[in-house]
Amino acid sequence: DAGVIQSPRHEVTEMGQEVTLRCKPISGHNSLFWYRQTMMRGLELLIYFNNNVPIDDSGMPEDRFSAKMPNASFSTLKIQPSEPRDSAVYFCASSLAGADEQYFGPGTRLTVT
Amino acid sequence: GENVEQHPSTLSVQEGDSAVIKCTYSDSASNYFPWYKQELGKRPQLIIDIRSNVGEKKDQRIAVTLNKTAKHFSLHITETQPEDSAVYFCAASGSGTGNYQLIWGAGTKLIIKP
Repeated sequence: DAGVIQSPRHEVTEMGQEVTLRCKPISGHNSLFWYRQTMMRGLELLIYFNNNVPIDDSGMPEDRFSAKMPNASFSTLKIQPSEPRDSAVYFCASSLAGADEQYFGPGTRLTVT
Repeated sequence: GENVEQHPSTLSVQEGDSAVIKCTYSDSASNYFPWYKQELGKRPQLIIDIRSNVGEKKDQRIAVTLNKTAKHFSLHITETQPEDSAVYFCAASGSGTGNYQLIWGAGTKLIIKP
């Protein structure tokens, strides 16, 4: 298995632009997690899905952030409009079931200028 | 809800010495406690985990101990090597029916001095 796949690996955009991050979880995994990592705030859980259904989105910073999981093999995290403070590394992770080992993707490094 | 505290935030040890990182959690219903290692510029990866029905688990130079009564768990690395330099995160499973998330500690930057 190729592991969790994220794209793009790097994204540089201007403030106000829409950004879409993509994630393909490991086949057969039922849970998917989106994290944001910065030096100041560490590793933050933004939202997670179980069987494609959003379970907890309390970590989503504000209405500019949205996430979808239309099927078991694909999820997106969208920021619209983007702001410089959104600059961070965004990780997607998946797990087989529930509170179990989470496998992280390589991350997307987002820079908003 | 669950809260996880991790100490110290930075740990510097001489190569060959042991390193210990400690975490405390608040919710006695948590039952899964993983440790992740994140090297610079890389993704976090699981190095060892323990469930609440076990008090200790060991894998070569790495061991984790769990004290359910005191609600704390620790990572022990013996005979440290330069490649152990990284940020280490502890986590605890969330509680409640249908809760699948992990609650993360703030991380410990481990520096191995040659």
